[in-house]
Amino acid sequence: AQSVTQLDSQVPVFEEAPVELRCNYSSSVSVYLFWYVQYPNQGLQLLLKYLSGSTLVKGINGFEAEFNKSQTSFHLRKPSVHISDTAEYFCAVSDRGHDKIIFGKGTRLHILP
Amino acid sequence: NAGVTQTPKFQVLKTGQSMTLQCAQDMNHNSMYWYRQDPGMGLRLIYYSASEGTTDKGEVPNGYNVSRLNKREFSLRLESAAPSQTSVYFCASTPGDYQETQYFGPGTRLLVL
Repeated sequence: AQSVTQLDSQVPVFEEAPVELRCNYSSSVSVYLFWYVQYPNQGLQLLLKYLSGSTLVKGINGFEAEFNKSQTSFHLRKPSVHISDTAEYFCAVSDRGHDKIIFGKGTRLHILP
Repeated sequence: NAGVTQTPKFQVLKTGQSMTLQCAQDMNHNSMYWYRQDPGMGLRLIYYSASEGTTDKGEVPNGYNVSRLNKREFSLRLESAAPSQTSVYFCASTPGDYQETQYFGPGTRLLVL
């Protein structure tokens, strides 16, 4: 069965510093991978997704993620964060051939001035 | 386009009361979903509808019922609310395939006393 583990529940980082939010998944078949962002008091919106092809995926707001099949990871990175990146970030996985996705428990990103 | 809309935005219920959460999308999407979000638990799928006329249970269906009224609307009903159902409820939709982006509504915040 699918599962998604976000290794950090909260990540504090100084403004303009780089950040990495970690995500590992377990699945016995090929997968689709997603990162969603939730700003305070809003619904989720897609940051980026991996379906196939290049393992480095670029998303909105300067975020990117790298699919690593051998390590079953899909970590999210940004080289320089801004105060507006304060939000909760969710990793999600979908097995190919299924019609629903599984979300991780989320990582809260706190930007320190 | 309004995207995905949810009503009400906030609701307070007493234990044992019933209510229906409404969700509508104007993107002509085939699949619709109901999630609940609880602190530290991420998003958990309650029910989903892969197409008009079909519904299936997700991870946490107990205590809920759903109706896919037509292609646009997908409602979630609590027949006898319990304090454990205090949560934020999100509706989402996708064009139809599991690799597609999920579009989320703004959420309904429910408190059961």
